[in-house]
Amino acid sequence: AQSVSQHNHHVILSEAASLELGCNYSYGGTVNLFWYVQYPGQHLQLLLKYFSGDPLVKGIKGFEAEFIKSKFSFNLRKPSVQWSDTAEYFCAAFFYGGSQGNLIFGKGTKLSVKP
Amino acid sequence: DTGVSQNPRHKITKRGQNVTFRCDPISEHNRLYWYRQTLGQGPEFLTYFQNEAQLEKSRLLSDRFSAERPKGSFSTLEIQRTEQGDSAMYLCASSLLWETTNEKLFFGSGTQLSVL
Repeated sequence: AQSVSQHNHHVILSEAASLELGCNYSYGGTVNLFWYVQYPGQHLQLLLKYFSGDPLVKGIKGFEAEFIKSKFSFNLRKPSVQWSDTAEYFCAAFFYGGSQGNLIFGKGTKLSVKP
Repeated sequence: DTGVSQNPRHKITKRGQNVTFRCDPISEHNRLYWYRQTLGQGPEFLTYFQNEAQLEKSRLLSDRFSAERPKGSFSTLEIQRTEQGDSAMYLCASSLLWETTNEKLFFGSGTQLSVL
């Protein structure tokens, strides 16, 4: 079955540290990949997406992610985090050709940035 | 606000009661999704509509759960005979499907259900 895995449940960083959150998916067909962010008390917001083309995608607020097809991965990165990046981050995927038409989420990674 | 709107924001109910949630998608969006999110988990897909047609409902958690989108605009999610395990955040999302492999979902703020 198609699935999305996030390996880090809670990450704690100091401001200016670099961030990398892991995301892996299981599916060999066409996949669209997303990172969503949920700030405390707010709704899910799209951070960035990969549909096709350049595997390195840039999103809002200095985030980027790299799609590595051979590793079934779509890791999220930011070179220097800020306190305002404290939030929960969800990796998600649309799997085309399998279970049709739904976005499958990972369990999320909570990021806490210490000022 | 032209985003996805969900009502109510919070619902507290007693076990065994029926509850109904409403979702108003972004106006031109033809797809509407319902998800459930519990603490420490990512959103879990329940069902979705394309216009008024419910294209996938096998992921609804039990036959106590049902959803409608009668005119292809707003949608309702009903839970009958609620149980304490139904306590969760229920999220609605919408999208404009113009390319099969190029869909982007916009989420509402959710309805937090607490079953006592």
